[in-house]
Amino acid sequence: EAQVTQNPRYLITVTGKKLTVTCSQNMNHEYMSWYRQDPGLGLRQIYYSMNVEVTDKGDVPEGYKVSRKEKRNFPLILESPSPNQTSLYFCASSPLTGGGRGYTFGSGTRLTVV
Amino acid sequence: AQSVTQLDSQVPVFEEAPVELRCNYSSSVSVYLFWYVQYPNQGLQLLLKYLSGSTLVESINGFEAEFNKSQTSFHLRKPSVHISDTAEYFCAVTAGSGGSNYKLTFGKGTLLTVNP
Repeated sequence: EAQVTQNPRYLITVTGKKLTVTCSQNMNHEYMSWYRQDPGLGLRQIYYSMNVEVTDKGDVPEGYKVSRKEKRNFPLILESPSPNQTSLYFCASSPLTGGGRGYTFGSGTRLTVV
Repeated sequence: AQSVTQLDSQVPVFEEAPVELRCNYSSSVSVYLFWYVQYPNQGLQLLLKYLSGSTLVESINGFEAEFNKSQTSFHLRKPSVHISDTAEYFCAVTAGSGGSNYKLTFGKGTLLTVNP
């Protein structure tokens, strides 16, 4: 089944404790992206990647890091989480050809930073 | 850069009534348009999309949306809603090419609540 898999689904952590949210896709998509969803703000892009070793900032990159060492994986790293990073996070992927196919989203990771 | 405005943050309706969720976009280039649905405590699912061709697009569960280039709109409609349609609906746009233009830009969402 074609899918984007995120882990964990739920995570509660303390301020300053480094964490990684994993994202993996099995569709051989070149493009991958991370979004955060906050009430009343919709979804905002954090980082994106056009292909292996090619990443760039989205609209709200502060406090986040990403890497793309393999085509299928695109982990989101919070080096020193803060309470304002409490949010619902989504990973998504898309092929680059035929850019209008839309994204396939993961099921989301609900992060709480206390 | 593109932007999306969803004109209503909440839309309450009664079951079997018609509904329209409004979406306007702005862009200096040609775009692709999407509607995504998010059921409570779930991820986002693609509902329908406009890429090219016929300006009226339909989903398998009775929703339709019409692309209106002159009004830069992509409103979502359903002639008769069910309780199970209760969800948050997101309109999104992408230029579908090169770097940041490939980004899918979302509106802030419209919460559709269908009451019995």
